Amino acid sequence: AQSVSQHNHHVILSEAASLELGCNYSYGGTVNLFWYVQYPGQHLQLLLKYFSGDPLVKGIKGFEAEFIKSKFSFNLRKPSVQWSDTAEYFCAVNYGGAQKLVFGQGTRLTINP
Amino acid sequence: DGGITQSPKYLFRKEGQNVTLSCEQNLNHDAMYWYRQDPGQGLRLIYYSQIVNDFQKGDIAEGYSVSREKKESFPLTVTSAQKNPTAFYLCASSTQGGQPQHFGDGTRLSIL
Repeated sequence: AQSVSQHNHHVILSEAASLELGCNYSYGGTVNLFWYVQYPGQHLQLLLKYFSGDPLVKGIKGFEAEFIKSKFSFNLRKPSVQWSDTAEYFCAVNYGGAQKLVFGQGTRLTINP
Repeated sequence: DGGITQSPKYLFRKEGQNVTLSCEQNLNHDAMYWYRQDPGQGLRLIYYSQIVNDFQKGDIAEGYSVSREKKESFPLTVTSAQKNPTAFYLCASSTQGGQPQHFGDGTRLSIL
């Protein structure tokens, strides 16, 4: 079955620490990949997306993600986090041009000042 | 500003009652989606629609129904057959399937 796994359920970091959130998907064909963020009390918004081309994708607010096809992974990174990055982060995959996205379970990120 | 409007923000349901959640978009998107968000389970797809008068079941459609009579509207009915309806419901839209989705602010449904 097509699935998306986010292994980190809750990550707690201090400000200025580096961040990497894992995302793995289950399918070996063509995929489009997304990271969404949900800040407390706000709607989900798109952080970044990968459709093709350079596997290192840069998004908003200093986030980036790297698509590693051989590992079926699309990990989210940020070199130095801020308190305002406290939020829930969701990885999503579009498998083979299907009409829908499959979401991971989400990772709750808490940044301590 | 273009966006997605979900109403109400909070909704309470009595046992055996059907309730309808509203979702309206003015983004001129063809595709619309309903998700259910539970803690630790991410977003699970209930129903989606690629075009007016057509919709498909998602992964957890049992106990829910939808309609798509207008491009901008995609209401979700939570029926009495849904045994565990307490959750946060999110509506989304996109230009077409597989493209980035835009989300509403959600409706939180609780059982009285």
